[in-house]
Amino acid sequence: QITLKESGPMVVKTTQTLTLTCTVSGFSLSSSGMGVGWLRQPPGKALEWLAVIYWNDNKRYSPSLRSRLTITKDTSKNQVVITLNNLDPVDTATYYCAHRRCGGGSCYNTFDMWGQGTMVTVSS
Amino acid sequence: DIQMTQSPSSLSASVGDRVTITCQASQDIKNYLSWYQQKPGKPPKLLIYDAFNLEAGVPSRFTGSGSGTHFTFTISSLQPEDIATYYCQHYDNVITFGQGTRLDIK
Repeated sequence: QITLKESGPMVVKTTQTLTLTCTVSGFSLSSSGMGVGWLRQPPGKALEWLAVIYWNDNKRYSPSLRSRLTITKDTSKNQVVITLNNLDPVDTATYYCAHRRCGGGSCYNTFDMWGQGTMVTVSS
Repeated sequence: DIQMTQSPSSLSASVGDRVTITCQASQDIKNYLSWYQQKPGKPPKLLIYDAFNLEAGVPSRFTGSGSGTHFTFTISSLQPEDIATYYCQHYDNVITFGQGTRLDIK
């Protein structure tokens, strides 16, 4: 059974750096085709993709946030970490990590399992 | 960057109604499109991928169609538990979501 769980601070100050951890179980971060993504959703607004990291350590970032984001993984700890620097109140959101869907010998950047999310508030 | 335009933004329908949501891509995305359902306070749930493939365990009243730039998501007979917000998502090396459609019961 695949599970993902986000953890990190609930409140951070403007200009600071946010670090969130996704702890996974039920799959290996090094399995061929595997990917874990980070996404967020401001209160009452639409979903926004942030980044994805693949089994081979390749990474893709949202073009609009690329300069502020870093995604890494620690296979031995079953964790994927994302950092977002230079925080602003508009970064207030629920942050989710999610598992990349694989099936029938193919993998896609669509997400079949999600964590419950962690709400982060950015304040001055 | 590819933009995904989803419509309508909100929709009211009666139990048993056929409900349709559309998603328009700003350029050809082949069939790299998913549909999600999100209920309040919960993470999104994947319903359909590759434009028309039903995720395991998802009721058959949910269907998807389309390719290229125009996509459609349909609920053939609306049930009370279908009240949620629905999102389309284009996936490739860059991932983009539509703005969502909030569906409620009339």
